[in-house]
Amino acid sequence: DAKTTQPPSMDCAEGRAANLPCNHSTISGNEYVYWYRQIHSQGPQYIIHGLKNNETNEMASLIITEDRKSSTLILPHATLRDTAVYYCIVRVLNNDMRFGAGTRLTVKP
Amino acid sequence: GAVVSQHPSRVICKSGTSVKIECRSLDFQATTMFWYRQFPKKSLMLMATSNEGSKATYEQGVEKDKFLINHASLTLSTLTVTSAHPEDSSFYICSASTGTSGYEQYFGPGTRLTVT
Repeated sequence: DAKTTQPPSMDCAEGRAANLPCNHSTISGNEYVYWYRQIHSQGPQYIIHGLKNNETNEMASLIITEDRKSSTLILPHATLRDTAVYYCIVRVLNNDMRFGAGTRLTVKP
Repeated sequence: GAVVSQHPSRVICKSGTSVKIECRSLDFQATTMFWYRQFPKKSLMLMATSNEGSKATYEQGVEKDKFLINHASLTLSTLTVTSAHPEDSSFYICSASTGTSGYEQYFGPGTRLTVT
């Protein structure tokens, strides 16, 4: 599976949009982009995933560049409860999920 | 949505003893289950993958005789840490996949193991 690169940490003001970038320049055509988050001392929580089209659900939006070499997770109105480590993972369907270092997002009041 | 539970959530044991951690898929059948461990301030590290009814596949560097994995049914996998040592203290997380939809892995809440 392709490797991903994320900034180690980011801050965001409560109520503002949080934009978390992810680089995956070696992604192959059959690899999906997934986002999970992990709140302290809990198991990872699925957020969203996509192949090449932008995706939106009740939690977030996923923007994937046309060349698929990078993506951005958008939390439209961040709350304090969104403080967590966010993991961007690329994988082929049915492969295991392998985690990088992720981005520690801190939402500040 | 699909729910995965783990039991116990926390366990403290003495060096040399064995500890069993259970992972259950509560509302779906999991053909594949995964075990991860996580050290403080570090990312999750995949330990092994198990398919129901077959032997687990361990990642390089993970001792299969120390971390025994059993996936005897479609809703239960167990991880037994044998002859535990303080360096085995960690956060152990399981996840489960139906294998059919493929793209979703559902994670349990984790088990905090402390070996004294």
